[in-house]
Amino acid sequence: KQEVTQIPAALSVPEGENLVLNCSFTDSAIYNLQWFRQDPGKGLTSLLLIQSSQREQTSGRLNASLDKSSGRSTLYIAASQPGDSATYLCAPASGNTGKLIFGQGTTLQVKP
Amino acid sequence: GAVVSQHPSRVICKSGTSVKIECRSLDFQATTMFWYRQFPKQSLMLMATSNEGSKATYEQGVEKDKFLINHASLTLSTLTVTSAHPEDSSFYICSAEAPDLRNTIYFGEGSWLTVV
Repeated sequence: KQEVTQIPAALSVPEGENLVLNCSFTDSAIYNLQWFRQDPGKGLTSLLLIQSSQREQTSGRLNASLDKSSGRSTLYIAASQPGDSATYLCAPASGNTGKLIFGQGTTLQVKP
Repeated sequence: GAVVSQHPSRVICKSGTSVKIECRSLDFQATTMFWYRQFPKQSLMLMATSNEGSKATYEQGVEKDKFLINHASLTLSTLTVTSAHPEDSSFYICSAEAPDLRNTIYFGEGSWLTVV
């Protein structure tokens, strides 16, 4: 059974800092892995999708890496802004299905 | 881009009644949809996989008679919480798999259920 762990659980930083959010998963036989953003009381916004054959994906100030063999992914946020404050969720997909298993998330607060 | 719509976004119901939540793919056909539940300050937990034209597949520990899932068309799945109790109060969110869009997953906006 896939288990996903995200570290740290919470993070508070001043504006402008570069951040690394960590995700580890127990079953390395994944099809892909997604990072999502969730604002309080809201749904999910997909940030990045990494296929199992890929090592990283970039979108703007975000970069996600994937080391499938060791069961790890990181989300790098460059030059953080207050608008980045949210909970970030990591979700690997096992098999060629849309069945995602979510980590507990990292709640980020970026202070102006 | 592809959109998945959930309705209602918020609902309050009395204990013992049933409430239905709809998940609709607006511009693509989804043979498979997924239902998740999220309690406050916790992560999303997969409840079931909804398959068009067949029975849903429930995750371990999810009562199929309490959480009825119907996926009668390629664009609509419904989750009915039967005989709701206060402990069923939660954020329910669906996702839909777009087979024609490289199996991309799209999430709905979620539905807040409060049982009083």
